[in-house]
Amino acid sequence: EDQVTQSPEALRLQEGESSSLNCSYTVSGLRGLFWYRQDPGKGPEFLFTLYSAGEEKEKERLKATLTKKESFLHITAPKPEDSATYLCAVQERGAQKLVFGQGTRLTINP
Amino acid sequence: DAGVTQSPTHLIKTRGQQVTLRCSPKSGHDTVSWYQQALGQGPQFIFQYYEEEERQRGNFPDRFSGHQFPNYSSELNVNALLLGDSALYLCASRPGKATSSYNEQFFGPGTRLTVL
Repeated sequence: EDQVTQSPEALRLQEGESSSLNCSYTVSGLRGLFWYRQDPGKGPEFLFTLYSAGEEKEKERLKATLTKKESFLHITAPKPEDSATYLCAVQERGAQKLVFGQGTRLTINP
Repeated sequence: DAGVTQSPTHLIKTRGQQVTLRCSPKSGHDTVSWYQQALGQGPQFIFQYYEEEERQRGNFPDRFSGHQFPNYSSELNVNALLLGDSALYLCASRPGKATSSYNEQFFGPGTRLTVL
């Protein structure tokens, strides 16, 4: 069965302090790996889709990378408005559902 | 361009009651999925609808049922509510197969269901 594990569960950084979030996954055949941002009480906001090992995508201060077993979300010089829960999900080839990890709760202190 | 919309925003029910949640997909999207998100957890897949039929179902009991209408909007019905059904219910939609973003699912704001 598909599994997604995110680490750390929570991360507290100072403004400008760069770091990375990890998403480890097990899937029989990867169709896509997805990153979402979720603010408290709101629905997840789509960030990136990665399809194959070695692929990278960037958006503002965020950069997502993918290997055959894990994905990283790198945050460069974060700002307080980057505080949110970041969710990782995988989709197996031939399946419709997304399987989510439990998320990483990121807090950026000014 | 309106994104995915859901109604109501919040709902309070008592054990044993039935509830219906509604979702309108993003313009140009024809596939709707429903997810349940417990506090502090990632969303869990309930089921997906395409062309008014259920395409795939997650590990949820038959108390959870759904429907998709010809205009692609969807309803989630939950019967015989339990305390454990309290959660944020999310609807996600994605575009049709002819688009380059076919694989990208966009979520609505959710409906917060509280069962007392």
